[in-house]
Amino acid sequence: DAGVIQSPRHEVTEMGQEVTLRCKPISGHDYLFWYRQTMMRGLELLIYFNNNVPIDDSGMPEDRFSAKMPNASFSTLKIQPSEPRDSAVYFCASSAAGEGTGELFFGEGSRLTVL
Amino acid sequence: AQSVTQLGSHVSVSEGALVLLRCNYSSSVPPYLFWYVQYPNQGLQLLLKYTSAATLVKGINGFEAEFKKSETSFHLTKPSAHMSDAAEYFCAVSEGRAQKLVFGQGTRLTINP
Repeated sequence: DAGVIQSPRHEVTEMGQEVTLRCKPISGHDYLFWYRQTMMRGLELLIYFNNNVPIDDSGMPEDRFSAKMPNASFSTLKIQPSEPRDSAVYFCASSAAGEGTGELFFGEGSRLTVL
Repeated sequence: AQSVTQLGSHVSVSEGALVLLRCNYSSSVPPYLFWYVQYPNQGLQLLLKYTSAATLVKGINGFEAEFKKSETSFHLTKPSAHMSDAAEYFCAVSEGRAQKLVFGQGTRLTINP
């Protein structure tokens, strides 16, 4: 079974540009999470979805960030306009509520560098 | 709200020595607790989890952790370190069946030959 798939793995862009990160969760999983990892702040939960509906977006840093999940097999995290302080590794993770234990399966991450 | 504190951002041990990574949690309800490992340039992988069954939990690669409610701790141990254990380790907590995990700051484990 394929794991969580993220793209792109690396993105280098200039300040002010729009960035779109993509995620395909594990088939059958009904929760999807976006995390951001930086040296200074560690792993931060940005937003999570249940059955494609956003449940908690309190971790989204500001209006420049938005996330969507149009269907059960695809989600995007968009930053517009991007700033150098957005440079980080962005992880997508999915889980199955039926497990009832909160175990997350992570993708390999998208490393974003904003110049 | 739940939280996790990992004591020591960097731990260094010799190959063959005991590994001890410390984690303390705060939760208003019985927690589910996890240890994840992250190898360079990879995502996080589950090492082990505590879900209110046995307090001593065994995971992959010879790791285990013990849930101690009185100490609000969930320390990770391995009797004999191997070079391949070098990685970053994260402790995480969720409250009951809530799917949302809160992670600690991570502990980077270095193994000296």
